[in-house]
Amino acid sequence: QTVVTQEPSLTVSPGGTVTLTCASSTGAVTSDYYPNWFQRKPGQAPKPLIYGTSNKHSWTPARFSGSLLGGKAALTLSGVQPEDEAEYYCLLYCGGAPLFGGGTKLTVL
Amino acid sequence: DVQLEESGGRLVQPGGSLRLSCSASGFNFNDYAMHWVRQAPGKGLEYVSGIGNNGGSTNYADSVKGRFTISRDKSKNTLYLQMSGLKTEDTAIYYCVKDRGKTPRDFDYWGQGTLVIVSS
Repeated sequence: QTVVTQEPSLTVSPGGTVTLTCASSTGAVTSDYYPNWFQRKPGQAPKPLIYGTSNKHSWTPARFSGSLLGGKAALTLSGVQPEDEAEYYCLLYCGGAPLFGGGTKLTVL
Repeated sequence: DVQLEESGGRLVQPGGSLRLSCSASGFNFNDYAMHWVRQAPGKGLEYVSGIGNNGGSTNYADSVKGRFTISRDKSKNTLYLQMSGLKTEDTAIYYCVKDRGKTPRDFDYWGQGTLVIVSS
């Protein structure tokens, strides 16, 4: 059974830079996995940030960027703001129905 | 503006059935794939099912395959999720999600969700 893995938690200082990663148990993540990234805050519906590895939605702040890094999908936040504290989920197409990662809880401290 | 409004969630007994609906507006429903995603209490997001723009292609998570059926009605701009053989682990908020294209691949707009509770 395929598993998508994310860091359970990360901490970053305001103004800093942090990279979240998303790995597949099937092997190296490529653009064919169509990585999507979402932000989830309590009581709100998930907010899409990135699709197709690195494409931003019209509402995605410029400080968010997506890429492939070391065989994983990656989400980088540069110049982190306090309002970026949230859970972040990736989604990968690993063959068959897509799978979400377990989520990364990002703390801004 | 794109709007997705889910409905149909309620308390249902284990083994029961339920149909969720998602009314779509603000875009040409027939041009886009659609998805259902759920989140159980205290858990992460779980992909449930997706359907192409013309209904010809569908996919399902292993956890719901054979029990859930996704469908769409272009005349009503509505997405459905027929759920049967419900289990307590199906308890979750169910979100309707629009795709950016005709085949399921890139998610954009999400509804606010409808709560399904499976309990005796």
